Amino acid sequence: QKEVEQDPGPLSVPEGAIVSLNCTYSNSAFQYFMWYRQYSRKGPELLMYTYSSGNKEDGRFTAQVDKSSKYISLFIRDSQPSDSATYLCAMSGGDGNNRLAFGKGNQVVVIP
Amino acid sequence: ETGVTQTPRHLVMGMTNKKSLKCEQHLGHNAMYWYKQSAKKPLELMFVYNFKEQTENNSVPSRFSPECPNSSHLFLHLHTLQPEDSALYLCASSQSSGDNQPQHFGDGTRLSIL
Repeated sequence: QKEVEQDPGPLSVPEGAIVSLNCTYSNSAFQYFMWYRQYSRKGPELLMYTYSSGNKEDGRFTAQVDKSSKYISLFIRDSQPSDSATYLCAMSGGDGNNRLAFGKGNQVVVIP
Repeated sequence: ETGVTQTPRHLVMGMTNKKSLKCEQHLGHNAMYWYKQSAKKPLELMFVYNFKEQTENNSVPSRFSPECPNSSHLFLHLHTLQPEDSALYLCASSQSSGDNQPQHFGDGTRLSIL
């Protein structure tokens, strides 16, 4: 079983729709959960950072962590064409080494 | 300049060449990382440096040789690479290499091996 599972997509949505992305993981020691956004020909940009279970909201973005189910989600409300990118989930914790385990990334296309 | 800067952005080299990738961070961080990003695969951690000391080598072949002269600069020296080494090489930095330190990435070097 892979450490982090993420459906690579692509996911196409019309402008204004809600985008829902998720990852599952197998290592129950993970405590820190991140979402990165990567535009074409650019490096990953940290979008959301959460600790343990719960929700975090930042503008149109909401990150959710359910440690009991080993499941994390990212929601993008009122999606815009500028949200078209690849979204990577990442997580760490438990070994003290800040080693990030990444998903494969999910390509999102927001159609005007 | 701000953030994490990588040069060159693109590199094409033959299998017998020697080249180096450079990374510089302007964030005042003490930990730096090299990652490999290949199509349809998760990012793979290659090396970790904390306060200039290498703390992790993730079973990377010796044809990749990292160097960290100070906390702001990181190099990846390349020699006798293979075609499967073609990928995007990303540098990242964080305040330290502790668990709760978010990592910030550069835009990478797109490497193509002929």
